[in-house]
Amino acid sequence: DAGVIQSPRHEVTEMGQEVTLRCKPISGHNSLFWYRQTMMRGLELLIYFNNNVPIDDSGMPEDRFSAKMPNASFSTLKIQPSEPRDSAVYFCASRGWGASEAFFGQGTRLTVV
Amino acid sequence: EDQVTQSPEALRLQEGESSSLNCSYTVSGLRGLFWYRQDPGKGPEFLFTLYSAGEEKEKERLKATLTKKESFLHITAPKPEDSATYLCAVQAPGNQFYFGTGTSLTVIP
Repeated sequence: DAGVIQSPRHEVTEMGQEVTLRCKPISGHNSLFWYRQTMMRGLELLIYFNNNVPIDDSGMPEDRFSAKMPNASFSTLKIQPSEPRDSAVYFCASRGWGASEAFFGQGTRLTVV
Repeated sequence: EDQVTQSPEALRLQEGESSSLNCSYTVSGLRGLFWYRQDPGKGPEFLFTLYSAGEEKEKERLKATLTKKESFLHITAPKPEDSATYLCAVQAPGNQFYFGTGTSLTVIP
């Protein structure tokens, strides 16, 4: 298996633009997590899906952030409009049914200028 | 509020100099405690899961232990390739994972 695949790896955008981050979880995994990592705050859980259904989105910073999981093999995290303070590395992770550990993708480094 | 605190923030060791990293947590109904390793520019890589106080897990030069309030990651005779950031995470009853801010380990040859 190729692991969790995220795209793009790097994204530079101007303030006010829409940004969409993409994630393909490991095949057969039924839980998916989106995290944001910054030097100041470390890894923060943004949203968690189970069987494609959002279970906990309490970590989503504000209405500018939205996430979808239309099927078991794809998820998106959208920021609209983007702001410089959104600059961070965004990670997607997935976990298999009955398993405890989650496996992470390589991340998307977002820079909003 | 659920919280995970790791110490120290950074640690420099000479090659072969053993030490321990600490992860203390305040989570009601802990479902599991996890250790991950993160190399620069990469995603966290899973190392261990611990479920109950007294449990221990080992992998090469690393050993993780768990008590009711904290976990330790012991590094025995570290090598330069062990240099990385080590992250601790706890799984809450709602299945969310909460991470500490990590310990940056540098092993000097």
